[in-house]
Amino acid sequence: QKEVEQNSGPLSVPEGAIASLNCTYSDRGSQSFFWYRQYSGKSPELIMFIYSNGDKEDGRFTAQLNKASQYVSLLIRDSQPSDSATYLCAVNNSSNTGKLIFGQGTTLQVKP
Amino acid sequence: GAVVSQHPSWVICKSGTSVKIECRSLDFQATTMFWYRQFPKQSLMLMATSNEGSKATYEQGVEKDKFLINHASLTLSTLTVTSAHPEDSSFYICSAGPRAPVPPDTQYFGPGTRLTVL
Repeated sequence: QKEVEQNSGPLSVPEGAIASLNCTYSDRGSQSFFWYRQYSGKSPELIMFIYSNGDKEDGRFTAQLNKASQYVSLLIRDSQPSDSATYLCAVNNSSNTGKLIFGQGTTLQVKP
Repeated sequence: GAVVSQHPSWVICKSGTSVKIECRSLDFQATTMFWYRQFPKQSLMLMATSNEGSKATYEQGVEKDKFLINHASLTLSTLTVTSAHPEDSSFYICSAGPRAPVPPDTQYFGPGTRLTVL
């Protein structure tokens, strides 16, 4: 069973701090890694994707990938209360093109 | 770009009736679309993969005769919940992905349809 693991949280950080969200995956053949943000009662929204080892930055968001350790993370700098949401890590299923394997999500709370 | 729409956004129906949900890719063509359901406080559960021009592929445990999927064109997939019962009440979300310039497995989600069966 291919899995994606996330700490469900909640992860609570003060406004302006860096929030660090982590994810591990079991499918060694996975090549594409995604972070989605889901506000309560809404559908997931794609924040970032990464497929090369290292860091990828987009505004206040940085995705980090370490394929050897099967580890993906998302850093949110200067966290804002509007960042409060559930963050889903998703990994492509290497044996089934098109499908994504989702983690349970980490709930982030940014306190003013 | 990469906008996915769903209709309706919410629906309330009586037990035993059927409900059709539409999923459209607005600015790209999608040979594959996905249907998920999500119960409160739970993660996404993939129900089926919708393939244009062929039969949908259902995940284990999902009743194909209850959740009918039709992928009629490269921009439209429909999910029909037949003979709906209160336990089918959930948040149904579709997704699709353009071919480029994002990775091939990228999925963009529609806004979801909240189904309540009385």
